[in-house]
Amino acid sequence: GDSVTQMEGPVTLSEEAFLTINCTYTATGYPSLFWYVQYPGEGLQLLLKATKADDKGSNKGFEATYRKETTSFHLEKGSVQVSDSAVYFCALSDRPGRGGSYIPTFGRGTSLIVHP
Amino acid sequence: NAGVTQTPKFQVLKTGQSMTLQCAQDMNHEYMSWYRQDPGMGLRLIHYSVGAGITDQGEVPNGYNVSRSTTEDFPLRLLSAAPSQTSVYFCASSSPRGTFSNEQYFGPGTRLTVT
Repeated sequence: GDSVTQMEGPVTLSEEAFLTINCTYTATGYPSLFWYVQYPGEGLQLLLKATKADDKGSNKGFEATYRKETTSFHLEKGSVQVSDSAVYFCALSDRPGRGGSYIPTFGRGTSLIVHP
Repeated sequence: NAGVTQTPKFQVLKTGQSMTLQCAQDMNHEYMSWYRQDPGMGLRLIHYSVGAGITDQGEVPNGYNVSRSTTEDFPLRLLSAAPSQTSVYFCASSSPRGTFSNEQYFGPGTRLTVT
């Protein structure tokens, strides 16, 4: 079945450091890929997405590129801020008819802590 | 639009009590889901629904019931609360048909403690 593996945290960085959170996936079909962010005490919200190979999703300075050849969707940001401290979830959603059911599969989440 | 709303935000139950967690969405989404979030476990799917009158089990359905009588509402019932059900519960909705993505919209969560 489908699965998502993301690096374990917490990831601890100083402000303005470069961020990479690794995410790899296995899927029976041709999925869409997502990064969600969860700020303390809140629900998850979509950060960015990509729906086909070589697509780059971007939002709020974060980027991730859909790499079909390496089945990866790594999250990057060039200069993190204290306000980026949150838990980040990688997810995929496959499509019915290609072996999928639309029900998304989430990674376990990676906690990011940014110090001033 | 209010999006996805959940009530209550916090709840404390005694072992053996029952209760219903409410979830509603005003986006006319056909898909709705319940997840629980526990430290180190990520999100685990409890039950989901692909439309009114249709529900199915997720990864961890035991001890929970759901029904979907309307498009808008998807309540989660705890039949006899156990300490193992202490968790944060999230409801989500989506509308994947006719699109190439399935973006989930999450509620703010219900933090449940069972003593």
